[in-house]
Amino acid sequence: AQSVTQLGSHVSVSEGALVLLRCNYSSSVPPYLFWYVQYPNQGLQLLLKYTSAATLVKGINGFEAEFKKSETSFHLTKPSAHMSDAAEYFCAVSDLWGNNDMRFGAGTRLTVKP
Amino acid sequence: KAGVTQTPRYLIKTRGQQVTLSCSPISGHRSVSWYQQTPGQGLQFLFEYFSETQRNKGNFPGRFSGRQFSNSRSEMNVSTLELGDSALYLCASSRDKTSDTGELFFGEGSRLTVL
Repeated sequence: AQSVTQLGSHVSVSEGALVLLRCNYSSSVPPYLFWYVQYPNQGLQLLLKYTSAATLVKGINGFEAEFKKSETSFHLTKPSAHMSDAAEYFCAVSDLWGNNDMRFGAGTRLTVKP
Repeated sequence: KAGVTQTPRYLIKTRGQQVTLSCSPISGHRSVSWYQQTPGQGLQFLFEYFSETQRNKGNFPGRFSGRQFSNSRSEMNVSTLELGDSALYLCASSRDKTSDTGELFFGEGSRLTVL
Protein backbone atom coordinates (compact mmCIF):
# COMPACT_ATOMS: atom_id res chain seq x y z
CA ALA A 1 0.00 0.00 0.00
CA GLN A 2 1.18 3.49 -0.75
CA SER A 3 1.38 6.27 1.79
CA VAL A 4 3.08 9.57 2.48
CA THR A 5 4.16 11.14 5.72
CA GLN A 6 4.54 14.87 6.07
CA LEU A 7 6.87 15.94 8.83
CA GLY A 8 5.59 18.98 10.66
CA SER A 9 1.93 19.99 10.70
CA HIS A 10 2.89 23.67 10.97
CA VAL A 11 5.84 25.50 9.50
CA SER A 12 6.47 29.20 10.03
CA VAL A 13 8.99 31.23 8.04
CA SER A 14 9.76 34.90 7.57
CA GLU A 15 9.07 36.58 4.27
CA GLY A 16 12.09 36.09 2.03
CA ALA A 17 13.33 33.02 3.90
CA LEU A 18 13.72 29.51 2.53
CA VAL A 19 10.65 27.30 2.58
CA LEU A 20 11.20 23.59 3.22
CA LEU A 21 8.24 21.24 3.60
CA ARG A 22 9.10 17.60 4.17
CA CYS A 23 7.46 14.53 2.68
CA ASN A 24 8.49 10.87 2.84
CA TYR A 25 6.73 8.19 0.86
CA SER A 26 6.19 4.48 1.07
CA SER A 27 5.32 2.56 -2.05
CA SER A 28 5.76 -1.02 -3.21
CA VAL A 29 5.69 0.07 -6.85
CA PRO A 30 7.31 3.02 -8.62
CA PRO A 31 5.40 6.03 -7.39
CA TYR A 32 4.00 9.15 -8.83
CA LEU A 33 4.41 11.96 -6.29
CA PHE A 34 2.59 15.25 -6.09
CA TRP A 35 2.45 18.43 -4.09
CA TYR A 36 -0.86 20.25 -3.87
CA VAL A 37 -1.69 23.58 -2.23
CA GLN A 38 -5.00 24.53 -0.64
CA TYR A 39 -6.05 28.06 0.13
CA PRO A 40 -8.90 28.67 2.61
CA ASN A 41 -12.31 27.50 1.43
CA GLN A 42 -10.91 26.26 -1.85
CA GLY A 43 -10.07 22.95 -3.46
CA LEU A 44 -6.58 21.63 -4.05
CA GLN A 45 -4.35 23.05 -6.76
CA LEU A 46 -1.44 21.10 -8.20
CA LEU A 47 1.97 22.67 -7.52
CA LEU A 48 4.15 20.04 -9.15
CA LYS A 49 4.43 16.33 -9.88
CA TYR A 50 7.10 13.67 -10.24
CA THR A 51 6.42 11.00 -12.83
CA SER A 52 9.78 9.18 -13.09
CA ALA A 53 11.37 11.63 -15.48
CA ALA A 54 13.72 14.25 -14.00
CA THR A 55 14.30 13.89 -10.26
CA LEU A 56 14.28 17.66 -9.74
CA VAL A 57 10.83 18.94 -10.52
CA LYS A 58 9.93 22.58 -10.95
CA GLY A 59 6.40 23.74 -10.30
CA ILE A 60 4.35 26.86 -10.21
CA ASN A 61 4.96 29.92 -8.03
CA GLY A 62 8.69 29.20 -7.74
CA PHE A 63 8.35 25.89 -5.91
CA GLU A 64 10.42 22.82 -6.67
CA ALA A 65 10.88 19.35 -5.24
CA GLU A 66 13.53 16.67 -5.53
CA PHE A 67 12.78 12.96 -5.69
CA LYS A 68 15.35 11.01 -3.68
CA LYS A 69 14.78 7.28 -3.95
CA SER A 70 17.52 6.42 -1.45
CA GLU A 71 15.81 8.56 1.17
CA THR A 72 12.23 7.88 -0.02
CA SER A 73 11.72 11.62 0.13
CA PHE A 74 10.08 14.29 -1.97
CA HIS A 75 10.61 17.54 -0.07
CA LEU A 76 9.15 20.81 -1.34
CA THR A 77 11.29 23.94 -1.37
CA LYS A 78 11.11 27.57 -2.37
CA PRO A 79 14.15 29.85 -2.06
CA SER A 80 12.27 32.93 -0.90
CA ALA A 81 8.87 32.88 0.81
CA HIS A 82 6.19 35.37 -0.11
CA MET A 83 3.18 36.32 1.98
CA SER A 84 0.93 34.81 -0.67
CA ASP A 85 2.51 31.39 -0.04
CA ALA A 86 0.63 31.06 3.24
CA ALA A 87 -1.62 28.04 2.75
CA GLU A 88 -1.86 24.34 3.48
CA TYR A 89 0.35 22.01 1.48
CA PHE A 90 -0.32 18.35 0.81
CA CYS A 91 2.03 15.70 -0.43
CA ALA A 92 0.37 12.82 -2.30
CA VAL A 93 1.29 9.50 -3.90
CA SER A 94 -0.25 7.32 -6.55
CA ASP A 95 1.22 4.52 -8.64
CA LEU A 96 2.67 4.40 -12.14
CA TRP A 97 -0.27 2.57 -13.62
CA GLY A 98 -2.69 5.45 -13.59
CA ASN A 99 -4.54 4.11 -10.60
CA ASN A 100 -6.35 7.15 -9.31
CA ASP A 101 -6.40 5.94 -5.72
CA MET A 102 -4.26 8.88 -4.67
CA ARG A 103 -3.24 9.00 -1.01
CA PHE A 104 -2.53 12.27 0.75
CA GLY A 105 -0.39 13.24 3.68
CA ALA A 106 -1.86 15.02 6.69
CA GLY A 107 -0.86 18.41 5.36
CA THR A 108 1.51 21.15 6.47
CA ARG A 109 0.19 24.61 7.20
CA LEU A 110 2.68 27.24 6.11
CA THR A 111 2.65 30.61 7.84
CA VAL A 112 4.70 33.48 6.42
CA LYS A 113 5.63 36.27 8.83
CA PRO A 114 6.27 39.80 7.55
CA LYS B 1 -11.94 24.94 -20.35
CA ALA B 2 -14.26 24.70 -17.37
CA GLY B 3 -12.89 23.13 -14.22
CA VAL B 4 -14.45 20.61 -11.89
CA THR B 5 -17.79 21.88 -10.64
CA GLN B 6 -19.32 20.80 -7.37
CA THR B 7 -22.79 21.59 -6.12
CA PRO B 8 -23.97 22.66 -3.68
CA ARG B 9 -21.04 24.56 -2.19
CA TYR B 10 -22.53 24.73 1.28
CA LEU B 11 -25.31 22.83 2.97
CA ILE B 12 -26.64 22.17 6.43
CA LYS B 13 -28.43 18.99 7.41
CA THR B 14 -29.59 17.40 10.63
CA ARG B 15 -28.68 14.02 12.02
CA GLY B 16 -30.51 11.16 10.38
CA GLN B 17 -31.11 12.96 7.11
CA GLN B 18 -29.46 12.06 3.86
CA VAL B 19 -27.55 14.23 1.40
CA THR B 20 -26.60 14.04 -2.25
CA LEU B 21 -23.63 15.93 -3.65
CA SER B 22 -22.96 16.44 -7.31
CA CYS B 23 -19.75 16.72 -9.32
CA SER B 24 -19.24 17.62 -12.97
CA PRO B 25 -15.74 16.70 -14.14
CA ILE B 26 -13.61 18.51 -16.66
CA SER B 27 -14.80 17.81 -20.17
CA GLY B 28 -13.18 14.63 -21.49
CA HIS B 29 -12.29 13.31 -18.03
CA ARG B 30 -13.78 9.89 -17.35
CA SER B 31 -12.50 9.28 -13.83
CA VAL B 32 -14.07 10.95 -10.80
CA SER B 33 -12.76 10.53 -7.28
CA TRP B 34 -14.30 11.68 -4.01
CA TYR B 35 -12.48 12.69 -0.85
CA GLN B 36 -13.61 13.68 2.61
CA GLN B 37 -11.58 16.38 4.34
CA THR B 38 -11.83 17.01 8.07
CA PRO B 39 -9.48 18.79 10.50
CA GLY B 40 -8.92 15.60 12.46
CA GLN B 41 -8.56 13.00 9.71
CA GLY B 42 -7.27 15.11 6.83
CA LEU B 43 -8.00 14.01 3.28
CA GLN B 44 -9.48 10.57 3.11
CA PHE B 45 -10.26 8.72 -0.10
CA LEU B 46 -13.90 7.70 -0.45
CA PHE B 47 -14.18 6.11 -3.88
CA GLU B 48 -13.33 6.48 -7.53
CA TYR B 49 -15.55 5.94 -10.54
CA PHE B 50 -14.47 5.30 -14.08
CA SER B 51 -16.86 4.76 -16.97
CA GLU B 52 -19.83 4.38 -14.60
CA THR B 53 -18.09 1.67 -12.53
CA GLN B 54 -16.64 1.99 -9.07
CA ARG B 55 -12.99 1.13 -9.54
CA ASN B 56 -11.58 1.90 -6.09
CA LYS B 57 -13.09 2.25 -2.66
CA GLY B 58 -11.77 3.66 0.58
CA ASN B 59 -12.53 2.54 4.09
CA PHE B 60 -15.89 4.16 4.72
CA PRO B 61 -19.16 2.62 5.92
CA GLY B 62 -21.90 1.64 3.51
CA ARG B 63 -23.78 4.85 4.32
CA PHE B 64 -21.46 6.49 1.83
CA SER B 65 -22.25 5.62 -1.75
CA GLY B 66 -21.78 7.06 -5.16
CA ARG B 67 -22.50 6.65 -8.80
CA GLN B 68 -21.38 7.93 -12.14
CA PHE B 69 -23.50 8.69 -15.14
CA SER B 70 -22.79 8.12 -18.81
CA ASN B 71 -21.71 11.77 -19.20
CA SER B 72 -19.11 11.19 -16.42
CA ARG B 73 -20.95 13.37 -13.92
CA SER B 74 -20.93 11.83 -10.49
CA GLU B 75 -22.99 12.00 -7.35
CA MET B 76 -22.25 10.83 -3.86
CA ASN B 77 -24.83 10.12 -1.23
CA VAL B 78 -24.56 9.91 2.51
CA SER B 79 -27.50 8.38 4.32
CA THR B 80 -28.41 8.55 8.00
CA LEU B 81 -26.13 11.49 8.60
CA GLU B 82 -24.02 11.63 11.74
CA LEU B 83 -22.36 14.63 13.37
CA GLY B 84 -18.99 13.23 12.32
CA ASP B 85 -19.95 13.46 8.66
CA SER B 86 -19.50 17.22 8.83
CA ALA B 87 -16.67 17.84 6.39
CA LEU B 88 -15.54 19.32 3.13
CA TYR B 89 -16.26 16.82 0.38
CA LEU B 90 -13.93 17.19 -2.56
CA CYS B 91 -14.39 15.81 -6.01
CA ALA B 92 -11.51 15.34 -8.42
CA SER B 93 -11.39 14.28 -12.03
CA SER B 94 -8.72 12.90 -14.33
CA ARG B 95 -8.34 11.48 -17.80
CA ASP B 96 -8.99 7.84 -18.57
CA LYS B 97 -7.22 4.90 -16.98
CA THR B 98 -4.47 4.95 -19.56
CA SER B 99 -3.31 8.29 -18.24
CA ASP B 100 0.38 8.23 -17.55
CA THR B 101 0.36 10.81 -14.79
CA GLY B 102 -2.59 10.11 -12.53
CA GLU B 103 -2.91 13.83 -11.90
CA LEU B 104 -6.14 14.87 -10.22
CA PHE B 105 -7.99 18.12 -10.81
CA PHE B 106 -10.04 19.22 -7.83
CA GLY B 107 -13.27 21.12 -7.44
CA GLU B 108 -13.78 23.68 -4.69
CA GLY B 109 -15.71 21.23 -2.57
CA SER B 110 -19.08 20.93 -0.88
CA ARG B 111 -19.03 21.90 2.76
CA LEU B 112 -21.51 19.81 4.73
CA THR B 113 -22.51 20.71 8.25
CA VAL B 114 -24.54 18.20 10.23
CA LEU B 115 -26.41 19.56 13.25
